[in-house]
Amino acid sequence: DAKTTQPPSMDCAEGRAANLPCNHSTISGNEYVYWYRQIHSQGPQYIIHGLKNNETNEMASLIITEDRKSSTLILPHATLRDTAVYYCIVRFGSGGSNYKLTFGKGTLLTVNP
Amino acid sequence: GAVVSQHPSWVICKSGTSVKIECRSLDFQATTMFWYRQFPKQSLMLMATSNEGSKATYEQGVEKDKFLINHASLTLSTLTVTSAHPEDSSFYICSARDRNYGYTFGSGTRLTVV
Repeated sequence: DAKTTQPPSMDCAEGRAANLPCNHSTISGNEYVYWYRQIHSQGPQYIIHGLKNNETNEMASLIITEDRKSSTLILPHATLRDTAVYYCIVRFGSGGSNYKLTFGKGTLLTVNP
Repeated sequence: GAVVSQHPSWVICKSGTSVKIECRSLDFQATTMFWYRQFPKQSLMLMATSNEGSKATYEQGVEKDKFLINHASLTLSTLTVTSAHPEDSSFYICSARDRNYGYTFGSGTRLTVV
């Protein structure tokens, strides 16, 4: 699976949009971009994933560049409960039960009041 | 949505004893489950991939005789830390692939070996 690069930490004001970047310059054509977050002492929580097109759900938006070498996770109105470590993960396909998720160091997002 | 239940949420054991951690998929069948370990201020590290009805696949450097994995049914995988020592103290997390091919994680087990 392609490696990802994320800033180690970011700050965001409560109520503002949080934009978390991820670089995956070695991504291949059939690799998806997944985003998870981990609130302290809990298991990771799925946020969103995508292949080529931008995606949006009730939690966030995922913007993938046209060359797919980078992406941005957008939390439109960050709250204090969004403080967590955010992981950007790239892996093959959406099928195949043995495909494992490999976590990098992620970005610690701190939402400030 | 898919739910993975992990039990216990925390456990304290004496050095030399064994501890079993359970991971259950509550509303879906999981042919494959994954076990991770996370030390303080570090990322999740995959330990092994657990397949229902067959032997687990361990990542390089993970002792299979120390971390016994059993996946006897489509909804249950267990991780047993045998002869635990203080250096095994960590946060253990399981994950399962759900019917939509997403990954759902358990809430984790904090193991402290004294």
